[in-house]
Amino acid sequence: TQLLEQSPQFLSIQEGENLTVYCNSSSVFSSLQWYRQEPGEGPVLLVTVVTGGEVKKLKRLTFQFGDARKDSSLHITAAQPGDTGLYLCAGAIGSGGSYIPTFGRGTSLIVHP
Amino acid sequence: KAGVTQTPRYLIKTRGQQVTLSCSPISGHRSVSWYQQTPGQGLQFLFEYFSETQRNKGNFPGRFSGRQFSNSRSEMNVSTLELGDSALYLCASSLLPGTSGRAMPDTQYFGPGTRLTVL
Repeated sequence: TQLLEQSPQFLSIQEGENLTVYCNSSSVFSSLQWYRQEPGEGPVLLVTVVTGGEVKKLKRLTFQFGDARKDSSLHITAAQPGDTGLYLCAGAIGSGGSYIPTFGRGTSLIVHP
Repeated sequence: KAGVTQTPRYLIKTRGQQVTLSCSPISGHRSVSWYQQTPGQGLQFLFEYFSETQRNKGNFPGRFSGRQFSNSRSEMNVSTLELGDSALYLCASSLLPGTSGRAMPDTQYFGPGTRLTVL
């Protein structure tokens, strides 16, 4: 069972389209992070959301943390080919008395010119 | 300033061998985390070191071990390699670890990874 479920798994769109990817869990998080990973590279942190209901904007990217702090979404407006990559959400999940950094399996996005 | 460096970038080993991977964090960063990334399981946390002490450990067998040196550089070792250990091993550095362990580590900067293939 994946503790952080991301959907959709794959997304192939044309330049200029809008899209939303989701990150869901039954666990409550003190914070969630979103990363983008390009082929041959490590993930790069995009944003950290901390407060339930919080909305953060990073140029054309809008991140939202659910009110109950169990889910998050990433919306991209007018996608560009440079947005292509694997989008990962991550949070610390309790396990055996400690908290383990946990990543979703990601949404693989391809934006065609 | 220089980013996180990992060596080697590619490695091919055979079953039963052992391997040591190296990570040099960003200058001034004292926390180093290791992750394994595979197509099937995604990105999974191995362990985190801060000031030469292992602060946190994921659900991996004891064949996976690590250490951190006084200069914050870190190594991870995998003994008795299995085919399933083939993966991209990523190192991430941050100034500080997660707050009280309930949060993700402070802003993590990932290296490019070491691609390990076990034959």
